[in-house]
Amino acid sequence: AQSVTQLDSQVPVFEEAPVELRCNYSSSVSVYLFWYVQYPNQGLQLLLKYLSGSTLVKGINGFEAEFNKSQTSFHLRKPSVHISDTAEYFCAVTGDYGGSQGNLIFGKGTKLSVKP
Amino acid sequence: NAGVTQTPKFQVLKTGQSMTLQCAQDMNHEYMSWYRQDPGMGLRLIHYSVGAGITDQGEVPNGYNVSRSTTEDFPLRLLSAAPSQTSVYFCASRSGLAGIQETQYFGPGTRLLVL
Repeated sequence: AQSVTQLDSQVPVFEEAPVELRCNYSSSVSVYLFWYVQYPNQGLQLLLKYLSGSTLVKGINGFEAEFNKSQTSFHLRKPSVHISDTAEYFCAVTGDYGGSQGNLIFGKGTKLSVKP
Repeated sequence: NAGVTQTPKFQVLKTGQSMTLQCAQDMNHEYMSWYRQDPGMGLRLIHYSVGAGITDQGEVPNGYNVSRSTTEDFPLRLLSAAPSQTSVYFCASRSGLAGIQETQYFGPGTRLLVL
C-alpha cells in the first residue's frame, strides 16, 4: 500500500527567505509524485509533478522539487518566498499497480505562513 | 472552459437529512473523483469513476452514494447526513487518455455543516 508523510504540519518563514517542505512516500512500485497548493478558501492547484526522467522538477511560481528514490522523498523548495505563497501545500502519490486507477493518495498537508 | 464546477458552495443540514452535491466538468474527462478534506487529515478519496456507468469506492465511502450517467456529471449523495460528514468536499477530474500520469483538476469545493 502507498502512503505519504508530510513531516511538518506548519512552517513559518520570513519573506524572501528560502523554504523547504518535506514529503516522504512509501511504495513498493513505481510512483508518480505531485505537489498541490491550496490558497485560502479555494480548491487545489497543481504546482509540479514527477513522472520520470530528471529528478529535479520545476513548477509554477518558482517552486521546484527533487525526487530521491533512495530516500523515498520528494521535497518542495523555493529559494525566496513571498507573502502570496502563504497557503497549504499537499504532497500526493499515485502508482502503476493493478487497481490503482491513478487515484491520488495525499499527505496531511503543510501550512506555509510567510511573514513580512 | 469553466473547468470543474461544484454546487452549492455552502450547505447546512440537519442530522438525517439527505442532499446531493453536484459536480460537473466541461473538459471531456473520463476520470472523476470525490474527496473530503478535514483539518489535519489531508484529502481522502470517497468515490471515483473511470467513465460513464462505472463507479468504485475509495478510502471513505460509507454514507455516500455516487452515479455517473454522463461524462460531464458526477453527483455525490448523502443519504442520511451525520455530524461526522461535516467537511469540505472537492470534486476532481482527469483525462483518461494517458491514465495515471495526467493532472487532476479540482473544483472550488462545497463546505458542508451537519448539525
